[in-house]
Amino acid sequence: EVQLVQSGAEVKKPGESLKISCKGSGYTFTNYWIGWVRQMPGKGLEWMGIIYPGDSDSRYNPSFQGQVAMSVDKSISTAHLQWSSLKASDTAMYYCARSSAYGDAGFDSWGQGTLVTVSS
Amino acid sequence: QSVLTQPPSVSAAPGQKVTISCSGSSSNIGENYVSWYQQLPGTAPKLLIYDNNKRPSGIPDRFSGSKSGTSATLGITGLQTGDEADYYCGTWDRSLSAHVVFGGGTKLTVL
Repeated sequence: EVQLVQSGAEVKKPGESLKISCKGSGYTFTNYWIGWVRQMPGKGLEWMGIIYPGDSDSRYNPSFQGQVAMSVDKSISTAHLQWSSLKASDTAMYYCARSSAYGDAGFDSWGQGTLVTVSS
Repeated sequence: QSVLTQPPSVSAAPGQKVTISCSGSSSNIGENYVSWYQQLPGTAPKLLIYDNNKRPSGIPDRFSGSKSGTSATLGITGLQTGDEADYYCGTWDRSLSAHVVFGGGTKLTVL
């Protein structure tokens, strides 16, 4: 069974750094792209970017370029999303999702989400 | 404001049929496949339709998708109370820089 399991909820202060994770299992992790999607409270889905674990090729939504960084650790089948300096406006649910191809918006498996709360 | 336009809400009675529209442009829906997602309250999105009209394994044939030009439609027949959820369309957009775009979401109420 394909599964993406994300790290737990985080509560941070503005200016702090954060790295959340997404661990894949039940499939060959390096053969599928992993995308990240933000959902702010009561709002819709926003695509942040996508990374290919096979070679770490990554593409960002221009709206998120420079605000976050995606990475992978193939040895443990885990993708990461990180912030160097959080803002209150980063408060949201973050999902990772699997895609078979770049240019394909069909994300067939999703993590359960990581809730990030940034508050002073 | 989302790149893809969906109605904020739709409603219908149990057993009835409903359609949800998704309007885009030539740089997104016009030249790329469309996917549809169902997000039940408090849960992660779930892929319902991919490549405009294909259903992943396990998705009942009550759900269907179609595309014409720069618009796409999700159809749901035999509505059940368990179908109450938010529905999102998504596709790639190749304007400026290639990235995935989603509709703003449609809240389905089964009366």
